[in-house]
Amino acid sequence: DVKVTQSSRYLVKRTGEKVFLECVQDMDHENMFWYRQDPGLGLRLIYFSYDVKMKEKGDIPEGYSVSREKKERFSLILESASTNQTSMYLCASSLFRGYEQYFGPGTRLTVT
Amino acid sequence: SQQGEEDPQALSIQEGENATMNCSYKTSINNLQWYRQNSGRGLVHLILIRSNEREKHSGRLRVTLDTSKKSSSLLITASRAADTASYFCATDSGSARQLTFGSGTQLTVLP
Repeated sequence: DVKVTQSSRYLVKRTGEKVFLECVQDMDHENMFWYRQDPGLGLRLIYFSYDVKMKEKGDIPEGYSVSREKKERFSLILESASTNQTSMYLCASSLFRGYEQYFGPGTRLTVT
Repeated sequence: SQQGEEDPQALSIQEGENATMNCSYKTSINNLQWYRQNSGRGLVHLILIRSNEREKHSGRLRVTLDTSKKSSSLLITASRAADTASYFCATDSGSARQLTFGSGTQLTVLP
């Protein structure tokens, strides 16, 4: 079974802090994604990556950056956390573009 | 921007009944997928239907796709309390091959 793990289930940070969210997948997938999920808005794509060292902006990249130094690891970085970044963050990976995505359990981030 | 919109936003049924939820989208698609999310967890892929398919089954799940109406429906037959979850449709459209998710239907199955 594909396993996608995220570094934390719950995280509380202060405004202005730099925040790292880590995601690791164990199935050698080339494609990895970061979403945020807010009530009533569904999932919104922040960044994605189709290869190591490659990254593409999604629908809401402002305030975020990403890093993919190794195939299995995709990191989301909040350079200076703000309260409007309080959300559930979901990482996913897929074998083929546009097909089934496997999700991690999510990180619920609260910025105070 | 959201491509898929689910309807209804919330649905409450008795165990054993069928649950139907709908998804409408705006642009042409390569495929449409349905996912389930249990409270506070990640999403789990349920089923994928390609744009040239009209109906697909998987266990108690039946998905239909009407590309002329840009809509899909997910039917869960003989529902169980364990089916209580949020259900999302996701569309794959365009050359970037990203998925665009709707806002979901919250299904509650009462025992």
